[in-house]
Amino acid sequence: GDSVTQMEGPVTLSEEAFLTINCTYTATGYPSLFWYVQYPGEGLQLLLKATKADDKGSNKGFEATYRKETTSFHLEKGSVQVSDSAVYFCALSDLNYGQNFVFGPGTRLSVLP
Amino acid sequence: DAGVIQSPRHEVTEMGQEVTLRCKPISGHNSLFWYRQTMMRGLELLIYFNNNVPIDDSGMPEDRFSAKMPNASFSTLKIQPSEPRDSAVYFCASSSLTIGQPQHFGDGTRLSIL
Repeated sequence: GDSVTQMEGPVTLSEEAFLTINCTYTATGYPSLFWYVQYPGEGLQLLLKATKADDKGSNKGFEATYRKETTSFHLEKGSVQVSDSAVYFCALSDLNYGQNFVFGPGTRLSVLP
Repeated sequence: DAGVIQSPRHEVTEMGQEVTLRCKPISGHNSLFWYRQTMMRGLELLIYFNNNVPIDDSGMPEDRFSAKMPNASFSTLKIQPSEPRDSAVYFCASSSLTIGQPQHFGDGTRLSIL
């Protein structure tokens, strides 16, 4: 079946550092890709998405590009803030092949002042 | 628009008791998901429904767990009898059966079984 792999962390950065969280996937078909963020004590929130190759999703300074050739959807931010400390989940959905949502294990990010 | 609504937000009960978690999906969404999240096992899909019909319940841990969706606007997850190892945060999420549409999560129910 389809699967998502991401670096599990934890990742610890200083404020204003550059962030990359790697995500790769395996899928039978042509999935849609998502990044979710979970702040302490809260549910998962959609951060950004991309639905076809070379699409770039962006939100709140975060970006990720759908790379079909490398089956990747890496999350990046140029300058992280303390408020970005959270757990980040990569996910895919492939309804064409009957595959509903598959989540990666999550990556915990801690940003230090 | 109202998001996914879960109740209760917190539940503390003694082992052996019946626990019922409730979820109201976003209006118009036709897929509903129940997840469990723990530090040890991470986020686990328990069951999901399409158009009120259970599609995949392979994640339900054992017969003590059951889920129903009697109509498009309400679902329950029941644990009977409850055990301390059921302590976790339980999330409900909903989405539309449309390519590219995300899941929307509720705030979760934090369940503690003593």
